[in-house]
Amino acid sequence: GAVVSQHPSRVICKSGTSVKIECRSLDFQATTMFWYRQFPKKSLMLMATSNEGSKATYEQGVEKDKFLINHASLTLSTLTVTSAHPEDSSFYICSARGGAGLAGGNSYEQYFGPGTRLTVT
Amino acid sequence: AQKITQTQPGMFVQEKEAVTLDCTYDTSDQSYGLFWYKQPSSGEMIFLIYQGSYDEQNATEGRYSLNFQKARKSANLVISASQLGDSAMYFCAMREGGGGTSYGKLTFGQGTILTVHP
Repeated sequence: GAVVSQHPSRVICKSGTSVKIECRSLDFQATTMFWYRQFPKKSLMLMATSNEGSKATYEQGVEKDKFLINHASLTLSTLTVTSAHPEDSSFYICSARGGAGLAGGNSYEQYFGPGTRLTVT
Repeated sequence: AQKITQTQPGMFVQEKEAVTLDCTYDTSDQSYGLFWYKQPSSGEMIFLIYQGSYDEQNATEGRYSLNFQKARKSANLVISASQLGDSAMYFCAMREGGGGTSYGKLTFGQGTILTVHP
């Protein structure tokens, strides 16, 4: 159990367009999901915390209007990179905190998606 | 101020030997959790081991053990009997206590790239 999926795994888009990345908890309900950004061989930087049914909490320095987060259900959170530019190219990873329906797992653990590699040309 | 510090950008170990990856942390919370993750070149984050701040025993999971020294605020990962498949980037992370809507968020260290030689 405790599988988190992300779609797409890779995406290439042109500068100025918007890209949506989906994060799904497949076999458990996740009231809280987290979005991270990672540059090559660097650490994961938390962008925002997504709570189902409420507005996302963004970390300092993250543009809310550029990185739109929607947590519409207990199993789905989406990150939309609006008007993407080459500097937005990065590896985006989501995670879900264990909650209801999590069999065989732990409530303290975060389960990570496989990541989405975004390239903006 | 950096809350999680991994001072080893890269480490090398011979296959079948043990290796220790260092991690120190800083927090004023009494309740917190410490995690280690492995990230192979594919990018996925693989959970290895967890230590709660109130846990008296050091956590162990198979070949992984966490050397938790609370007074020194260190949480080093020990990998025994290294395998070639252990070559990856390793991250130490901390979840601080407290509630609120951001509960559970992790702060990551800089990472250590481990290379296992045959």
